[in-house]
Amino acid sequence: DSGVTQTPKHLITATGQRVTLRCSPRSGDLSVYWYQQSLDQGLQFLIQYYNGEERAKGNILERFSAQQFPDLHSELNLSSLELGDSALYFCASGAGTSGGPTYEQYFGPGTRLTVT
Amino acid sequence: ILNVEQSPQSLHVQEGDSTNFTCSFPSSNFYALHWYRWETAKSPEALFVMTLNGDEKKKGRISATLNTKEGYSYLYIKGSQPEDSATYLCAFNNNAGNMLTFGGGTRLMVKP
Repeated sequence: DSGVTQTPKHLITATGQRVTLRCSPRSGDLSVYWYQQSLDQGLQFLIQYYNGEERAKGNILERFSAQQFPDLHSELNLSSLELGDSALYFCASGAGTSGGPTYEQYFGPGTRLTVT
Repeated sequence: ILNVEQSPQSLHVQEGDSTNFTCSFPSSNFYALHWYRWETAKSPEALFVMTLNGDEKKKGRISATLNTKEGYSYLYIKGSQPEDSATYLCAFNNNAGNMLTFGGGTRLMVKP
């Protein structure tokens, strides 16, 4: 158990809908990272928040957005869903005081999103 | 676009065999290299973070080396056990930002 929690575990929704995925980092970690794992692709970095502020951005679609709240939990919002958005979405939290990449990331169990 | 390549894609070994696999990454602007172990139906688990050329890290029977000048890292498993069966991922960071670029992974299967 990494100490990172994600809800829900599974989500099935229809095209065009909007969903919110939630992540709580390990106690004391200020960084939250979001990743997407599609069937035909490796882990793709989406976005990082550090202590409430966006710190790094990967290939995140404009239809997707994220935020980190004062209690450090984070939400990933996916809107106008398409079939291709079906994937496993991981959240990870990072140790360290600067949110930089020299620290290990601890992954949550993931949310499996199925868009029908 | 950063290219992080892992080889082989998959590997079958017998229990007790020692094995190793490779992660190749761009040698310019190196900042950090991560190794993760990912078992089916679980989440990736951090093994090592390496930042210095020549770095060697060890955790039990698993060790890793790093060559930033030529852009590769090796992961070694000594005396493989069935519970080592997993996908091993490496992830690279250059000093342009905080994002990690993951390789496709090496899927290791250890037969008893």
